[in-house]
Amino acid sequence: DTGVSQNPRHKITKRGQNVTFRCDPISEHNRLYWYRQTLGQGPEFLTYFQNEAQLEKSRLLSDRFSAERPKGSFSTLEIQRTEQGDSAMYLCASSPGARGSSYEQYFGPGTRLTVT
Amino acid sequence: AQSVTQPDIHITVSEGASLELRCNYSYGATPYLFWYVQSPGQGLQLLLKYFSGDTLVQGIKGFEAEFKRSQSSFNLRKPSVHWSDAAEYFCAVGAGSYQLTFGKGTKLSVIP
Repeated sequence: DTGVSQNPRHKITKRGQNVTFRCDPISEHNRLYWYRQTLGQGPEFLTYFQNEAQLEKSRLLSDRFSAERPKGSFSTLEIQRTEQGDSAMYLCASSPGARGSSYEQYFGPGTRLTVT
Repeated sequence: AQSVTQPDIHITVSEGASLELRCNYSYGATPYLFWYVQSPGQGLQLLLKYFSGDTLVQGIKGFEAEFKRSQSSFNLRKPSVHWSDAAEYFCAVGAGSYQLTFGKGTKLSVIP
């Protein structure tokens, strides 16, 4: 039984570059979520998918952030023109599709982004 | 909008002592409540959850939590702490569009 996996685990990039992170959810889960966690804070919700449909994206931090889940399996989160303020841990989670259990989210290990 | 407050930023306990981590939430209806634990550099592991029913819920690693509607609280407890419990603990509430809203976390240190 594999959990949520994320790649890469660490990413160092220069300001202005684009970065893309990948998340592979638990195979039978049809909901997938992205969160951002900065130092000393709890995770902050960004967006979520049910299968391939992105049902909530108003919480994405700016139009530089975008996410996809093209076939309803893995997802990618892209940040264009990175800024130093984007440095954070980016967490992915997945959950079953049933109403109550959609809140029972299982997290991956995260991708730590450092923008220099 | 919902919110979560964890009033204690850092708690230190001796190994073998009991533990209680506080969590207060703000939400108009009965929320879904969770506790997660995060070890350094790692993702979050679900410790326990409350959806409905019995207000005392049991989780993994010997943790339990009690939902008190009148106090809007969901405190995490463990009767005897082990050194391996040292980590950061996050309380979260689920409401609305399936997002979780987290508190800022409580860092637990354990003295051998």
